Amino acid sequence: KAGVTQTPRYLIKTRGQQVTLSCSPISGHRSVSWYQQTPGQGLQFLFEYFSETQRNKGNFPGRFSGRQFSNSRSEMNVSTLELGDSALYLCASSLVPATNEKLFFGSGTQLSVL
Amino acid sequence: AQKITQTQPGMFVQEKEAVTLDCTYDTSDPSYGLFWYKQPSSGEMIFLIYQGSYDQQNATEGRYSLNFQKARKSANLVISASQLGDSAMYFCAMREAISGGYNKLIFGAGTRLAVHP
Repeated sequence: KAGVTQTPRYLIKTRGQQVTLSCSPISGHRSVSWYQQTPGQGLQFLFEYFSETQRNKGNFPGRFSGRQFSNSRSEMNVSTLELGDSALYLCASSLVPATNEKLFFGSGTQLSVL
Repeated sequence: AQKITQTQPGMFVQEKEAVTLDCTYDTSDPSYGLFWYKQPSSGEMIFLIYQGSYDQQNATEGRYSLNFQKARKSANLVISASQLGDSAMYFCAMREAISGGYNKLIFGAGTRLAVHP
């Protein structure tokens, strides 16, 4: 069974640009969540999607958005990039968004904003 | 308030020895899940082990076991027979329910484990 797939693996952008990251969950998993990892702030929750609906969002500005498609694949978008958006963005999937469901992560997308 | 506390920023262990990584958590919800993940330098977050709040037995997955002490709100990871490939960052995380029936995963700051030959 294929794991969680994130593309691209690396991205380099400049300030003011926008970026779209993609995540394909494990087959059969319908819940996808996104996390940002930085050396200073650690791992922080961005948002979670289930059945194409955003169910929860972390404390991030509106420049961070996402969506989920009918096949459970998800994308996140960051508009008007800032230097502080440089981070590893991790996507995770689970069968359903329940507290007792195991959560599996992808390899992440390393975003560098210059 | 800190929800997940990992008090050991770094740990060293000799190859083939066992090591315990500490994790304490704070929640008032009776239903939650506790996870340990390994993150090597490549960045991928690798699932190691899961413990549900209602599970009676401590979870085990191969060389990994979770020492779950619910009353103390402690969920320590024990790695037996350490291998050089175990050198990585280890994160303790808790998935708890929040308002509206939703939930999210909260991570600790992590412990960097170095296995010496």
